[in-house]
Amino acid sequence: NAGVTQTPKFRVLKTGQSMTLLCAQDMNHEYMYWYRQDPGMGLRLIHYSVGEGTTAKGEVPDGYNVSRLKKQNFLLGLESAAPSQTSVYFCASNSAGSYEQYFGPGTRLTVT
Amino acid sequence: GEDVEQSLFLSVREGDSSVINCTYTDSSSTYLYWYKQEPGAGLQLLTYIFSNMDMKQDQRLTVLLNKKDKHLSLRIADTQTGDSAIYFCAEVNYGGSQGNLIFGKGTKLSVKP
Repeated sequence: NAGVTQTPKFRVLKTGQSMTLLCAQDMNHEYMYWYRQDPGMGLRLIHYSVGEGTTAKGEVPDGYNVSRLKKQNFLLGLESAAPSQTSVYFCASNSAGSYEQYFGPGTRLTVT
Repeated sequence: GEDVEQSLFLSVREGDSSVINCTYTDSSSTYLYWYKQEPGAGLQLLTYIFSNMDMKQDQRLTVLLNKKDKHLSLRIADTQTGDSAIYFCAEVNYGGSQGNLIFGKGTKLSVKP
């Protein structure tokens, strides 16, 4: 099992550009999450999904969109990147009935 | 609202015990978690405790839970340089359509040789 994987590992964007971060898990988990981690701020939940075709907003959803077309994939989109979105992004997943989340290795995004 | 508080830094000498403290607000949390993040990596679950327990021991790790004070601690015995990392406390938030984890800001543990 690869667990939770994230693509890409690093990315530099110019302000206004768009991109999509891909998260994939091979554990057949129902729930998937996108977090951002900033110095001194800990982990903040952006969006999450409780199943294929469903998504919900977390604590800091503005400027991001997500899609869960397949159970194993959870995509995070930035339509028009801003410097405030410079961060490390983590994807996580867990099975229904468990709160034990498995994390991906992270994507380091810089917006200039 | 829900909030999980941790001190940001802890420095210990190799071989000493480390105690990382956390306070949480949601008294209905059934599980409380400790995650470890090594430099450049994602979070890894270290251990967790059910809310009906006071203590859980797992090799060098001891988790203590004081439900009355909503205080959680993680003790690492015989701390090694490989234990240097950021440690996150997390509680379950039952708001929304399912429970989500609320993380503290993390405690950076530095172990000096």
